[in-house]
Amino acid sequence: DVKVTQSSRYLVKRTGEKVFLECVQDMDHENMFWYRQDPGLGLRLIYFSYDVKMKEKGDIPEGYSVSREKKERFSLILESASTNQTSMYLCASSWGFGYTEAFFGQGTRLTVV
Amino acid sequence: AQTVTQSQPEMSVQEAETVTLSCTYDTSESDYYLFWYKQPPSRQMILVIRQEAYKQQNATENRFSVNFQKAAKSFSLKISDSQLGDAAMYFCAYRSRGGSNYKLTFGKGTLLTVNP
Repeated sequence: DVKVTQSSRYLVKRTGEKVFLECVQDMDHENMFWYRQDPGLGLRLIYFSYDVKMKEKGDIPEGYSVSREKKERFSLILESASTNQTSMYLCASSWGFGYTEAFFGQGTRLTVV
Repeated sequence: AQTVTQSQPEMSVQEAETVTLSCTYDTSESDYYLFWYKQPPSRQMILVIRQEAYKQQNATENRFSVNFQKAAKSFSLKISDSQLGDAAMYFCAYRSRGGSNYKLTFGKGTLLTVNP
């Protein structure tokens, strides 16, 4: 089975802290994604990566950055956490061209106080 | 840019009955994929069913089936013989087929309650 693992299920951070959310997949997927999920807004794409060291902005990249140094790992970075970044964060991965399905992690509930 | 609209924030169904969740989308592309994902309270997002736009036949997976109307840009999910385990948030999603754009665009979701 494909496994996408997010390092934490719950995180509480203080305003202004630098926050790292980690995601690891074990299926050699080319593509990895970070989504943010908020009630009434669905899932919104923050960033995605289609190869090591390659990244593209999604729909709401402001306040976030990403890192993909190894194929299996995709990190989301909140440079200076703010309360409006309190949310559920979902990581996903998929194979490249010709494949369709994305596989999701369990999600990280981040609270910024 | 593509958009996905789910007009029903919440739905409920009696156990063993049938329920249909609605989804419409807007795109200028002719070739794409559509998906229904399920997110139970455990939060793990699971693929329920997928449809390729170039296929006219509606996809079916056991109790789950879709009604894909390409001209109307409509993609509804029918759940037959509803079970308590079907209770979840359901998301409709769109993905382009061509190029390197692999991202999924999601609707806002429909919360399905199954009543015993």
